[in-house]
Amino acid sequence: DAGITQSPRHKVTETGTPVTLRCHQTENHRYMYWYRQDPGHGLRLIHYSYGVKDTDKGEVSDGYSVSRSKTEDFLLTLESATSSQTSVYFCAIRGLYNEQFFGPGTRLTVL
Amino acid sequence: GQQVMQIPQYQHVQEGEDFTTYCNSSTTLSNIQWYKQRPGGHPVFLIQLVKSGEVKKQKRLTFQFGEAKKNSSLHITATQTTDVGTYFCAGPKTGNQFYFGTGTSLTVIP
Repeated sequence: DAGITQSPRHKVTETGTPVTLRCHQTENHRYMYWYRQDPGHGLRLIHYSYGVKDTDKGEVSDGYSVSRSKTEDFLLTLESATSSQTSVYFCAIRGLYNEQFFGPGTRLTVL
Repeated sequence: GQQVMQIPQYQHVQEGEDFTTYCNSSTTLSNIQWYKQRPGGHPVFLIQLVKSGEVKKQKRLTFQFGEAKKNSSLHITATQTTDVGTYFCAGPKTGNQFYFGTGTSLTVIP
């Protein structure tokens, strides 16, 4: 699966706390993506990166920030988690032919 | 704005029956991709279609891209329990982004 790992795999946190999710890839892909998946909404893009320190917003970026200081790591931060951010978060990389390879996901619960 | 709509949202079939999911875009797509997500798993890339009217097959799965490049379908012949999961289509958006359809959840009844 294109050497993509996500951590943590599960997290329960309280409203108002900061949360950082990590995506790590081992194959030097340029493009990395963060999606959230919710019932009835499919996969929605939060932010993506097209290189080190190069990031852009997706369709549901409010309340999220990202950073990419190294090619292999793409971090997603919820500065102050809210219950509406309870979701499953997937990281993905873009392959040579524009296909996307997804990480195993992080299940986040905000109480 | 550009949207990718997918129908049906859910489909229950008896094992051995056929299954089809449809994907429709409000704009012309340069290509379309299909993914499968098993329950509790992550989306896995199945195929990419690029040409108008293109048809590709993977064993019992047949993928079509419409002539106008605004719609696509995935057809599974003689479903098996291993086909269970959610099938997503995805189309490109400007800025290296992708729109995903809402997915069709397939249940196969043994």
